[in-house]
Amino acid sequence: GDSVTQMEGPVTLSEEAFLTINCTYTATGYPSLFWYVQYPGEGLQLLLKATKADDKGSNKGFEATYRKETTSFHLEKGSVQVSDSAVYFCALIYAGTASKLTFGTGTRLQVTL
Amino acid sequence: KAGVTQTPRYLIKTRGQQVTLSCSPISGHRSVSWYQQTPGQGLQFLFEYFSETQRNKGNFPGRFSGRQFSNSRSEMNVSTLELGDSALYLCASSPGDRVSYEQYFGPGTRLTVT
Repeated sequence: GDSVTQMEGPVTLSEEAFLTINCTYTATGYPSLFWYVQYPGEGLQLLLKATKADDKGSNKGFEATYRKETTSFHLEKGSVQVSDSAVYFCALIYAGTASKLTFGTGTRLQVTL
Repeated sequence: KAGVTQTPRYLIKTRGQQVTLSCSPISGHRSVSWYQQTPGQGLQFLFEYFSETQRNKGNFPGRFSGRQFSNSRSEMNVSTLELGDSALYLCASSPGDRVSYEQYFGPGTRLTVT
């Protein structure tokens, strides 16, 4: 079945450091890919998306590129802030079953001063 | 536009009881999906309702059920609660037209079963 694999956390970085959170997926078709972020005590917020191969999603300084050849969708940010501390989830969805998101296990990011 | 709202935000129940959670989607969105989030299992899809009909279902026992009203508001019910049902229950709304796939999540209802 379809699955999403994320790097284990927590990831601890100093402010202004470069961030990469790895995400790879296994899928039988061509899903759309998403990154969601969850701050403590809150629900999930959509961070960015990509709907086809080579698409780059971006938002708030975060970027991710849909790589079909490596089945990856790694999240990057050039300079993290303390306010970026949260749990990040990679997810996929199919057009045919567009209601069901399949999530990775989440990666906790902690940014320190 | 107002976001997705869920009520109540916190709930404590006893084993064997039943519980009903409510979700109001973003205005104009016709699809509501429900997810269970636990530390052990992560985020798991429960079901989706669209135009008052269940359109998709995850792998949960029949104790978990839902419904959707004509105004797109949705409720989720869990009967005969077990300790393992303690979780954050998230609902997500989307247009449901299978063109826009983004799902927008509410803050969740944290259910504790004792």
